[in-house]
Amino acid sequence: AQSVTQLDSQVPVFEEAPVELRCNYSSSVSVYLFWYVQYPNQGLQLLLKYLSGSTLVESINGFEAEFNKSQTSFHLRKPSVHISDTAEYFCAVRSSNTGKLIFGQGTTLQVKP
Amino acid sequence: EPEVTQTPSHQVTQMGQEVILRCVPISNHLYFYWYRQILGQKVEFLVSFYNNEISEKSEIFDDQFSVERPDGSNFTLKIRSTKLEDSAMYFCASSALGASGTDTQYFGPGTRLTVL
Repeated sequence: AQSVTQLDSQVPVFEEAPVELRCNYSSSVSVYLFWYVQYPNQGLQLLLKYLSGSTLVESINGFEAEFNKSQTSFHLRKPSVHISDTAEYFCAVRSSNTGKLIFGQGTTLQVKP
Repeated sequence: EPEVTQTPSHQVTQMGQEVILRCVPISNHLYFYWYRQILGQKVEFLVSFYNNEISEKSEIFDDQFSVERPDGSNFTLKIRSTKLEDSAMYFCASSALGASGTDTQYFGPGTRLTVL
């Protein structure tokens, strides 16, 4: 069975500051890793994913995440956040033989001016 | 860009009543999912559906729940006799390739179900 832990429920940060949202997972099999973002009153949108290959993956809006197998982590980072990044961020895992996503509890990123 | 839509956005019902939550997946997708999020808790998988049958379900998805694809565009979740603990946000998702490693699930905006 897989599980996902997002260590921070809320992360307040000032605009243009760097941010890291932490995600750890546990699994006895190989997994694929995802970050989804939910803006207010919208659905979950895929931000980025790790399937294989390079352990550093990037999104089009400046976020990146690094898969660390030894630490079973997939932390999300951005060097300089904008007000528009304020949202709920969900880390999720899926094993290769199922379509079922297992989610973490979510982290609310609050970007202040 | 194609998107998953869900109706209604908010449903209020009395305990014991039946509810049907509706979803329109992305048109060329073949795999469909329901998830739910109870307030303050994790998003939880309920069921996946492919080729007109359930391919996987969680222990939450008991006999009170059913899913259906009544036509070529809609995907529904029915709760036969709602309980207070069914109050949650219900998300529909669809994907093109199912369990394939390259597949992405696209989520709808959710239906907030409130059981009184």
